[in-house]
Amino acid sequence: GAGVSQSPRYKVAKRGQDVALRCDPISGHVSLFWYQQALGQGPEFLTYFQNEAQLDKSGLPSDRFFAERPEGSVSTLKIQRTQQEDSAVYLCASSLGPRSYEQYFGPGTRLTVT
Amino acid sequence: GQQVMQIPQYQHVQEGEDFTTYCNSSTTLSNIQWYKQRPGGHPVFLIQLVKSGEVKKQKRLTFQFGEAKKNSSLHITATQTTDVGTYFCFYGQNFVFGPGTRLSVLP
Repeated sequence: GAGVSQSPRYKVAKRGQDVALRCDPISGHVSLFWYQQALGQGPEFLTYFQNEAQLDKSGLPSDRFFAERPEGSVSTLKIQRTQQEDSAVYLCASSLGPRSYEQYFGPGTRLTVT
Repeated sequence: GQQVMQIPQYQHVQEGEDFTTYCNSSTTLSNIQWYKQRPGGHPVFLIQLVKSGEVKKQKRLTFQFGEAKKNSSLHITATQTTDVGTYFCFYGQNFVFGPGTRLSVLP
């Protein structure tokens, strides 16, 4: 079946622009996660949804970052007033159960802020 | 906050040699997962370990969870070029990835 999909795959934004990154999880997966991965580093947690509820947003680096999953399926990660330090790959993952279950990752969105 | 360390950071091996990466935590882990990320790719789940002292095997890969549940290891026997990538340990309870071990295999 289809895996996790993310769009766009690549995004170039000028400093100060707003961006929206989309994640389509595997159908039926309850949990959805967003991670930020800088070049040569491990993924860093941003936020976690169980169905439509955002249960943990402790990893969001600033109030410029906002995520939603209004119907418990598709999720959007929005970054307002982008800064150069926001340049990274943004990974979305989904899983059948809560936080300790196996996670299935999407291909990621590579964001470059110029 | 919770930190998970991995060593080595990089490992270069000749094809056919063995490879081991180690994951360590200062606190007890309820479980540990391992993921592999190929160059330019995304993390792919390999295994989850839950029990103290647990050992699991997948073909040439052997995973161990320490008796105190504070460390874990991944061992690859007779590496192949398809093993190239970065191996991460992951503590799902706190969403913490280790920094990863990047494996390169020379043919």
